[in-house]
Amino acid sequence: SAVISQKPSRDICQRGTSLTIQCQVDSQVTMMFWYRQQPGQSLTLIATANQGSEATYESGFVIDKFPISRPNLTFSTLTVSNLSPEDSSIYLCSVERPGLSGNTIYFGEGSWLTVV
Amino acid sequence: QKEVEQDPGPLSVPEGAIVSLNCTYSNSAFQYFMWYRQYSRKGPELLMYTYSSGNKEDGRFTAQVDKSSKYISLFIRDSQPSDSATYLCAMSVTDYKLSFGAGTTVTVRA
Repeated sequence: SAVISQKPSRDICQRGTSLTIQCQVDSQVTMMFWYRQQPGQSLTLIATANQGSEATYESGFVIDKFPISRPNLTFSTLTVSNLSPEDSSIYLCSVERPGLSGNTIYFGEGSWLTVV
Repeated sequence: QKEVEQDPGPLSVPEGAIVSLNCTYSNSAFQYFMWYRQYSRKGPELLMYTYSSGNKEDGRFTAQVDKSSKYISLFIRDSQPSDSATYLCAMSVTDYKLSFGAGTTVTVRA
């Protein structure tokens, strides 16, 4: 498994502001992933972050709205910019780790964002 | 049509019952199949991981994959109140880009 710490665990933000979420992993990983889980919805991949390169964004997500940093092999940040109530979600950091049958994805506890 | 379909429930069973959960999918290229458990206000926790078709058992949990029918299942035997959670199926073509079901909320009544 993996120990993945996210900060903040929850926050309430004003619309129009930005929130930066930090993700710290207990050991070096090549790829880190950011997911969003909107209320009552499933998880959706926002982007994949590799150290030393630009993040790769999924369809429907853009860098201006969700800038990501990956300064080293154990840390990443996701910023949600120009917040609107529609951004109220859980944001989850995840990493890939070797398992018995192949690489598997582990998640942090999530950062619960409410935009008012 | 969603790529992964999962009945959101909710599902309520008495303690000791067998919980049966399932997902269907449309992408025949999926070859990695996972089940996650998510307690309220927590991140998803990996329960079961299966590559390709077949069954896999781990304690009270059994995962089944039928690629010919594009159908996966999770069975929980001797269910306990601590099994009350949302169960998410997930699958991928590669082993890291996951497509999730909507999750099924399960309550096990003491």
